[in-house]
Amino acid sequence: GAVVSQHPSWVICKSGTSVKIECRSLDFQATTMFWYRQFPKQSLMLMATSNEGSKATYEQGVEKDKFLINHASLTLSTLTVTSAHPEDSSFYICSAPSDGRSGANVLTFGAGSRLTVL
Amino acid sequence: DAKTTQPNSMESNEEEPVHLPCNHSTISGTDYIHWYRQLPSQGPEYVIHGLTSNVNNRMASLAIAEDRKSSTLILHRATLRDAAVYYCIPKSSGDKLTFGTGTRLAVRP
Repeated sequence: GAVVSQHPSWVICKSGTSVKIECRSLDFQATTMFWYRQFPKQSLMLMATSNEGSKATYEQGVEKDKFLINHASLTLSTLTVTSAHPEDSSFYICSAPSDGRSGANVLTFGAGSRLTVL
Repeated sequence: DAKTTQPNSMESNEEEPVHLPCNHSTISGTDYIHWYRQLPSQGPEYVIHGLTSNVNNRMASLAIAEDRKSSTLILHRATLRDAAVYYCIPKSSGDKLTFGTGTRLAVRP
């Protein structure tokens, strides 16, 4: 089946530094990928939609200059958390539509990347 | 987006069937009913989806009410590995996947 790989699975960084998280579709192409964030004991919140070859679309309240998204190929999207602060510590999860045949657009999710900012 | 109502939590015994309900009374005619689950410290995992008819796959069954205002995810024999948060999400093809609070399923050995 479809697989989405995220790297790194966990990262610790100092406040003020930037961190890049990669999301790859391993056996299928994805012109669109979605980035979610999940705080402890809360549900997933959609941050942005990554579009191959064009600008990402950000959800209301998400700072596009802080969360830089690049989708340079059909199998890779990256999320860079710039000038990270402790409040950015969270579980970041990407996903991609992996089955367009049924018309339902089922999503395959990565395993997530846990960011801790000291 | 259609509003969904799911129990906050449910418990089941191992190897017994589990019926996870979901109300989605404002579902639109083009919305598929998706179910995903999230195991602890992992990304969500697709379980099953349907439009009008009941659906079966190797993981679960999905029973959809005739008026489509509710659905039930059925795990035929719960295992410890099925302990997760289960999300019921009505969604049309082009829409984004929006997660609610889901049902936390605990499975007793």
